[in-house]
Amino acid sequence: GQGVEQPAKLMSVEGTFARVNCTYSTSGFNGLSWYQQREGQAPVFLSYVVLDGLKDSGHFSTFLSRSNGYSYLLLTELQIKDSASYLCAVRDGNTGKLTFGDGTVLTVKP
Amino acid sequence: EAGVTQSPRYAVLQEGQAVSFWCDPISGHDTLYWYQQPRDQGPQLLVYFRDEAVIDNSQLPSDRFSAVRPKGTNSTLKIQSAKQGDTATYLCASSSGTNERLFFGHGTKLSVL
Repeated sequence: GQGVEQPAKLMSVEGTFARVNCTYSTSGFNGLSWYQQREGQAPVFLSYVVLDGLKDSGHFSTFLSRSNGYSYLLLTELQIKDSASYLCAVRDGNTGKLTFGDGTVLTVKP
Repeated sequence: EAGVTQSPRYAVLQEGQAVSFWCDPISGHDTLYWYQQPRDQGPQLLVYFRDEAVIDNSQLPSDRFSAVRPKGTNSTLKIQSAKQGDTATYLCASSSGTNERLFFGHGTKLSVL
């Protein structure tokens, strides 16, 4: 089967950074995506990674370690509006299914 | 470019009633997903299509749920006899080819009393 785990909550301070962790298990890994979901709204795509290492996309960076089944989303220079749920999703290359974690609710305080 | 459109926005039912959700994906997107998202949880895949074909419906409760995409464009998800446990937001998403980016509709928030 496939499992995606994320911590439920994370708190950080405006102007600093936050790291949202994701661990996964799958029989046929074929990429990992991150989505942002604000309260009452639809998920919005942020990033996709399939190779190991750090992918820098400015405000958001994404790290992947396939051997450890681990990824993180790094948000820098946090703003209050970055407060949202961040969802990790893993693609199974055998079934094609995209499985989401339950999300990490990030609260950015002044 | 128009986004993914879903209707209705909200639905309130008594247990045992039926309801249908409609989704219009982004034009040209061949892959369409239906996800169920209970409150404070992540989206859980119910079914997904490539064109008109069902690729995976293993998580769809087949005794009460059904989904179709007859022309490979719009899709309908139906719950035949709703239960309180079906209370959730139903999200439709679409994507194109091998592009991993999913575009989500705003969802239908279902409450079953």
